[in-house]
Amino acid sequence: NAGVTQTPKFRVLKTGQSMTLLCAQDMNHEYMYWYRQDPGMGLRLIHYSVGEGTTAKGEVPDGYNVSRLKKQNFLLGLESAAPSQTSVYFCASTTNGGTYNEQFFGPGTRLTVL
Amino acid sequence: GDSVTQMEGPVTLSEEAFLTINCTYTATGYPSLFWYVQYPGEGLQLLLKATKADDKGSNKGFEATYRKETTSFHLEKGSVQVSDSAVYFCALNNNDMRFGAGTRLTVKP
Repeated sequence: NAGVTQTPKFRVLKTGQSMTLLCAQDMNHEYMYWYRQDPGMGLRLIHYSVGEGTTAKGEVPDGYNVSRLKKQNFLLGLESAAPSQTSVYFCASTTNGGTYNEQFFGPGTRLTVL
Repeated sequence: GDSVTQMEGPVTLSEEAFLTINCTYTATGYPSLFWYVQYPGEGLQLLLKATKADDKGSNKGFEATYRKETTSFHLEKGSVQVSDSAVYFCALNNNDMRFGAGTRLTVKP
């Protein structure tokens, strides 16, 4: 099993450009998450999904959109990138919302917005 | 709301030294507690977890005990190695996962 994969690994954008980050998991997990990681701030939840066709806002959703058209994929979109969105983005998945469950993380996408 | 506070880094130790990284939490109810490790250039991976009070999680020589009376889940290892150099995150799951800010550990030979 590949686990959780993310595409691309690195990307440089200019302010105002758009892009989509792809997350895929092959573990048949129901729940999927997008986080951003900034120095000294840990991980902050952007959006999440509790199943195919559903999405919900997390702690820092502004400037991002998501879609979960297929159970195994969770897409994160930036419609008009801003320098404040320079960060490392991690996707994660888990079986369901139970408190015992760990989340499985992808390797991350490093995004720089100039 | 729920939150996790962990000791600020960076922490620098010599090989074979004893490691403690403090973690305290604030939560209602009965969360599960986790330690994740992030090696350079990689995503987070689960190191250990505990799901109820007095449980001890352990893995790769690391251990942490869920102390409800002190709302703590401190990470310890008796003898660190250079390969343990990484960023360590404490987290809780109380129907929402909350992460601490992370503690960077560097182990020198």
